[in-house]
Amino acid sequence: QSVLTQPPSVSAAPGQRVTISCSGSTSNIGSNYVSWYQQLPGTAPKLLIYEHNKRPSGISDRFSGSKSGTSATLGITGLQTGDEADYYCGTWDTSLSAVVFGGGTKLAVL
Amino acid sequence: QVQLQESGPGLVKPSETLSLTCTVSGGSVSNDDWNWVRQPAGKGLEWIGRLSTSGYSGNSPSLKSRVTMSIDKSKNQFSLNLKSLTAADTAVYFCARSSGSKHDSWGQGILVTVSS
Repeated sequence: QSVLTQPPSVSAAPGQRVTISCSGSTSNIGSNYVSWYQQLPGTAPKLLIYEHNKRPSGISDRFSGSKSGTSATLGITGLQTGDEADYYCGTWDTSLSAVVFGGGTKLAVL
Repeated sequence: QVQLQESGPGLVKPSETLSLTCTVSGGSVSNDDWNWVRQPAGKGLEWIGRLSTSGYSGNSPSLKSRVTMSIDKSKNQFSLNLKSLTAADTAVYFCARSSGSKHDSWGQGILVTVSS
């Protein structure tokens, strides 16, 4: 059971917009920065979003992040088949003194 | 751009100790923090621990008693030792750099199987 809760799967049609939620608590999302990672099949995770809503250099502006209270959301617009992947949220948990990840969300572009 | 590469055995026997090394290129282990993360087949990411040359280190509460990490500045490498292995430790192990709150560079991962 992950400390951060994500939906197991989401789906949408090409060109559409999808959001992935990440729910936590005051000891993690509520008080620390959230990052989002994309993991394509058979590859290492890749940083998509950091500090809730910042994109590293080279990451498309189709990806966005937001945070409200103890939840965070990843948004992806203009969906492409190449976006099919697992997406993970992550943050520091002050009570556990540990990095925690969500269980991951599999995105299907139908 | 910093690159990371894991190395170590692909097969380890139960009750033995796993030793993995991560070699850093394009950057220095003297900067930033260095992490180990693992992922059992078909499952999510699990943080193992983090360390830096500044003296900081931290481990997952669930693995803390079995984990030892170290940094070798002369080789620009950092290492993970995980003792008392069981089948539940079978996973792909990743090394990753963290800067602040983000893990921004990852190794390709190494599959470790625990089996007799």
